[in-house]
Formats: sequence, structure tokens, C-alpha cells
Amino acid sequence: GENVEQHPSTLSVQEGDSAVIKCTYSDSASNYFPWYKQELGKRPQLIIDIRSNVGEKKDQRIAVTLNKTAKHFSLHITETQPEDSAVYFCAASGITAGNKLTFGGGTRVLVKP
Amino acid sequence: SAVISQKPSRDICQRGTSLTIQCQVDSQVTMMFWYRQQPGQSLTLIATANQGSEATYESGFVIDKFPISRPNLTFSTLTVSNMSPEDSSIYLCSVVRTGTTGELFFGEGSRLTVL
Repeated sequence: GENVEQHPSTLSVQEGDSAVIKCTYSDSASNYFPWYKQELGKRPQLIIDIRSNVGEKKDQRIAVTLNKTAKHFSLHITETQPEDSAVYFCAASGITAGNKLTFGGGTRVLVKP
Repeated sequence: SAVISQKPSRDICQRGTSLTIQCQVDSQVTMMFWYRQQPGQSLTLIATANQGSEATYESGFVIDKFPISRPNLTFSTLTVSNMSPEDSSIYLCSVVRTGTTGELFFGEGSRLTVL
């Protein structure tokens, strides 16, 4: 089955700096890669996703890149703000897995004011 | 996004008892899943809730421990049976809405503490 590795497990950045989280996946048939943000005590919220037919997607201060050949994808947050502090999860799924999401281990991001 | 209501939102349970968690969605969904999130951990898929038939369980999860029902397109239950402290977790219902391109949305979760 699919295996998703996520790094780093914790990330501390100064407000205004950029944050980058990287994930690798094992199943070359995976074609959908969402990112979730989970604030303390809250549900995971979908913040951005990318499908295998594109290499990059942006939404304001966040962007995701995908390298299918290398089987890795990354989340980039620019101009970080204190409200970006949360745990971020990457995930992967594909038709062969019945569209079930496999999650990475999570990255705890702390934005210091 | 879909409105996904879960209850109870939290409960404290005694060892050996069972608890049923309900998940109600405000619109039709194609797929419903149950995830577990142990303290400080990532999300692990327990099973896919299939309408009108037995759920499809992931490796490490069995029907006797986590019976699941899905009598219609918008409602599902997960029972955590014969609980032990190791079952203390957040249990999350998640759905893929009909007519969308597959985005998965989560309910608020049910935080269970087993003493």
C-alpha cells in the first residue's frame, strides 16, 4: 500500500519568513495530493491540493509543488504569520487505493512573532 | 464544504464498555470514512463505510472491535467495542461529497478517553 513520509516533524520560523514542508510517497499510481492544516483541538482543514497533471499550484501565500518522477511534493508558505502556527499533514491517494487518503506523520509549525 | 456533525464530541468511558459515535452529513456523499487520531499522532484510516453493506477495514482494524454501519448516504456510526485505555483517541468521520472532485472533509471529531 501507499506510504507517505513527511519532513520535518517540527519547524520553527520567524514571522515573515518562509516555511517549507516536504513529503515523499511510494505508490507511483497516486494522483491526488492534498494538504491539511490542523489547529489545536480542531478538525483537519483542507488548505490546498494538487493533482498529478500539474506541477505547481498557488493560493495566495501557500503553494504546492509536485515532482512525479521523484515521487515527492512540497508545501510552501510565504510571509508566515502567527496564525499559520498549526500541524500540517500531507496525504496521497489514487484510484488503485480506492481514493483512500494515506497521511504523512505531520509537521508542527511554530511561527514566532 | 459539507456540514458534518459528529456526536458525542467527547466522552470519558470505562474500560470494557462500548461507545457508538454518530456521523450525520447535510448533503449526499459518495464516500464516508472513519479515521483515528491518537494523541499527538497522524490520521490513520480505520475503514470505509459502505452504504447498506459491511464496511471495508484497513489492516490492523477488525469488525468485532470497530463495527460500522451506514444505513443511508448521509449517516454512519462507528462503535468502539470493549474499550481499553489504548483506544483513547480522536475518532473522525470524513466524507467525499457527491459532485465534487474527491476532496475529503472531516467532522469535528469525537474525543474518547478510556479510564
